[in-house]
Amino acid sequence: GNSVTQMEGPVTLSEEAFLTINCTYTATGYPSLFWYVQYPGEGLQLLLKATKADDKGSNKGFEATYRKETTSFHLEKGSVQVSDSAVYFCALNSPYSGGGADGLTFGKGTHLIIQP
Amino acid sequence: NAGVTQTPKFQVLKTGQSMTLQCAQDMNHNSMYWYRQDPGMGLRLIYYSASEGTTDKGEVPNGYNVSRLNKREFSLRLESAAPSQTSVYFCASSPGTSGRKGFNEQFFGPGTRLTVL
Repeated sequence: GNSVTQMEGPVTLSEEAFLTINCTYTATGYPSLFWYVQYPGEGLQLLLKATKADDKGSNKGFEATYRKETTSFHLEKGSVQVSDSAVYFCALNSPYSGGGADGLTFGKGTHLIIQP
Repeated sequence: NAGVTQTPKFQVLKTGQSMTLQCAQDMNHNSMYWYRQDPGMGLRLIYYSASEGTTDKGEVPNGYNVSRLNKREFSLRLESAAPSQTSVYFCASSPGTSGRKGFNEQFFGPGTRLTVL
């Protein structure tokens, strides 16, 4: 079946530091890949996505590149801000999801804390 | 345009009680989903509805039932709540239909925090 593995948190950084959150996946077929962000007390919001190999998704200074050869979709940001503190989820949607489910398969989430 | 709305925001139940979580979307989306979020587990799919009139089980359907009332509304029912169902429940919707497994983004509601004592 499909699975997503992302680094465990919490990840604590200082403001303006470089951020990388690793994400690797296992899927049949050619999945689409997503990063969602969840701010405290809120639902999930789509941060960025990529639908095919070598695509780069970007939004709000965050970037992630779909690497089929390494089955990875690492999230990066050059200079983080306190307002980036949140939980980040890597997810995939595969056209061949086991059992017919059409929902997203999520990683467990990475709690990011940015200190001033 | 409210997006995806969920009611209630919070609920406390006693073991054995029943309740229905409501979800509605105003984006004319075809597909709707129910997830539960537990600490250290990420989100797991409970049920989904690819289109009006169809529902299918996800990863963790036991103890739940769903109804796709119309295109806008997708409800989740707990017939006899158990402490293991204490969780945060999220409803989501997406434009596409199942079958060919679209690559569509999913839009999430704000969640319902449920505690079962």
